[in-house]
Amino acid sequence: EIVLTQSPATLSLSPGERATLSCRASQSVSTYLAWYQQKPGQAPRLLIYDASHRATGIPAKFSGSGSGTDFTLTISSLEPEDFAVYYCQQRSSWPRLTFGPGTKVDIK
Amino acid sequence: QVQLQESGPGLVKPSETLSLTCAVSDYSISNGYYWGWIRQPPGKGLEWIGTFYHSGSTYYNPSLKSRVTILEDTSKNQFSLSLYSLTAADTAVYYCARLRGLDAFDFWGPGTMVTVSS
Repeated sequence: EIVLTQSPATLSLSPGERATLSCRASQSVSTYLAWYQQKPGQAPRLLIYDASHRATGIPAKFSGSGSGTDFTLTISSLEPEDFAVYYCQQRSSWPRLTFGPGTKVDIK
Repeated sequence: QVQLQESGPGLVKPSETLSLTCAVSDYSISNGYYWGWIRQPPGKGLEWIGTFYHSGSTYYNPSLKSRVTILEDTSKNQFSLSLYSLTAADTAVYYCARLRGLDAFDFWGPGTMVTVSS
């Protein structure tokens, strides 16, 4: 089973700051990694697929990078609506899909 | 815009079977894509339950495989989840979603909370 680890668990930042979130895989997942945003009481929203491709309607402030075992989600300048929990998910071990434990981005 | 909506009981007793339905609108599940179920215990992360392709293969999380069945009903454009032998650990919000290609879930239902308790 491919295990995803996300760090930090919580990221405390102020609006306008840059957020850098990490996702590490226990073995290479190539670029088969996605990122989701989840707000309280809502379903997750797909942000990034294939490590670096923004999903439909996702603003350019969200960017993804990485390959192999190390991946990064960057939010260039945090806005109030960006404070949420972010999950990574891999599909390299298709059909078995796994999610990371999440990083909470909260207001400092 | 694909829309998904979960439905089912909010409370189920331990050892019983959970049955949920996901109604899909504005897209026919028989036209392609994989479809699946994901759950999220209160305050915790996401867990993939299983996915299927119309008239094709169905795949389950190995940790749940012995207790879960996903079926499609193309006449109603919906699919279902059955989870057997419930315990309190199955208490979660259950989501249905569409898998974009093979890689990521691009459309989600709002989720339905299921509590397992006597």
